Amino acid sequence: TQLLEQSPQFLSIQEGENLTVYCNSSSVFSSLQWYRQEPGEGPVLLVTVVTGGEVKKLKRLTFQFGDARKDSSLHITAAQPGDTGLYLCAGEANNAGNMLTFGGGTRLMVKP
Amino acid sequence: DAGVTQSPTHLIKTRGQQVTLRCSPKSGHDTVSWYQQALGQGPQFIFQYYEEEERQRGNFPDRFSGHQFPNYSSELNVNALLLGDSALYLCASSWRGGFSSYNEQFFGPGTRLTVL
Repeated sequence: TQLLEQSPQFLSIQEGENLTVYCNSSSVFSSLQWYRQEPGEGPVLLVTVVTGGEVKKLKRLTFQFGDARKDSSLHITAAQPGDTGLYLCAGEANNAGNMLTFGGGTRLMVKP
Repeated sequence: DAGVTQSPTHLIKTRGQQVTLRCSPKSGHDTVSWYQQALGQGPQFIFQYYEEEERQRGNFPDRFSGHQFPNYSSELNVNALLLGDSALYLCASSWRGGFSSYNEQFFGPGTRLTVL
């Protein structure tokens, strides 16, 4: 059974601060996806990383895939209240045929 | 271009009853996956349908079953409902074809099921 552990579970910060969310596993994933979910809605895909060591940037968000493709991080620079939400990482194992294994999520609150 | 749609939005049932949830995939997608998301947790994979057949299944009992229709839409059925089945049920669609090593999944808004 593949597991993804996210940390921290909860994060409450002030507007303008930086933060990093971690997603770790002992298993190798062929791809790893980051989602953001608002209350009462489905997860919305932010980015997919597929190559070990890959770094992708989406405005103030920076995503990194570990060299061994077992871990990933999401770094937000100068957080804004609009960044508030549940951040989920999800991994697809080799030959998993799209089955995603999700982490438990990081609930972020950015206070103005 | 319509995204993934799910119905109903909310549903309240009592223990022992049966429920059917519906999903229409994003245009151009042929694969539908279902996930269960308990309050405060990440989604858990239930099963996936492609070409009208169940292709993969997560660690869920046989009370959970599904179907995919020729137009790629899908249903999730849950029999003999338990209190613990209360959750947000998410449908995700993707395109299985092509040579990509991964296919991004797009999620619907979910159906909130409450079992009393």
